[in-house]
Amino acid sequence: QQQVKQSPQSLIVQKGGISIINCAYENTAFDYFPWYQQFPGKGPALLIAIRPDVSEKKEGRFTISFNKSAKQFSLHIMDSQPGDSATYFCAASFLSGTYKYIFGTGTRLKVLA
Amino acid sequence: KAGVTQTPRYLIKTRGQQVTLSCSPISGHRSVSWYQQTPGQGLQFLFEYFSETQRNKGNFPGRFSGRQFSNSRSEMNVSTLELGDSALYLCASSLLTSGGNEQFFGPGTRLTVL
Repeated sequence: QQQVKQSPQSLIVQKGGISIINCAYENTAFDYFPWYQQFPGKGPALLIAIRPDVSEKKEGRFTISFNKSAKQFSLHIMDSQPGDSATYFCAASFLSGTYKYIFGTGTRLKVLA
Repeated sequence: KAGVTQTPRYLIKTRGQQVTLSCSPISGHRSVSWYQQTPGQGLQFLFEYFSETQRNKGNFPGRFSGRQFSNSRSEMNVSTLELGDSALYLCASSLLTSGGNEQFFGPGTRLTVL
């Protein structure tokens, strides 16, 4: 019940296209949903995050769509660029004694020039 | 404001040895969490410290331990290293305990066990 299922495992998109990564969860106690971007040899960097009282959040070319009833959220990268090629992790956080983060397994995105 | 720093960046050890990794959080952040990242298992939570107290612990054997100092710097120790301990060890800091507050990751320490 504490899992966060992320798909696809890998994704290839043409430059200028839309990249979509999906995550699903079961625990309704989750109350914070961040996305992280990780380049090889680097630590994950917070990209964008959403709370369940909002259905969509947009920051530049990055948008999170959140469907509370379906317990799903997704990351959309508009106008994908080769520089977006990285591994993306979704995560969910909830309070159980202290706050805990559960991470998805990651999606390796490659944007072709 | 400086980010999360981790030292060393790379380590090579042999089986049976022990290792200590260090993490300095962002100034003002009192919560430090440690994660193990491997290609097969993704990001696995090790433990979290807040104000020098371990607040949360993941499902790792007792060979993995940590501590936090009064200046919020944290160390993690792995004793009796095994080949399977080879991984990227990430430290993340946040203002309060993790969750609800953003976690900021350091660059990680790449540990290779031979």
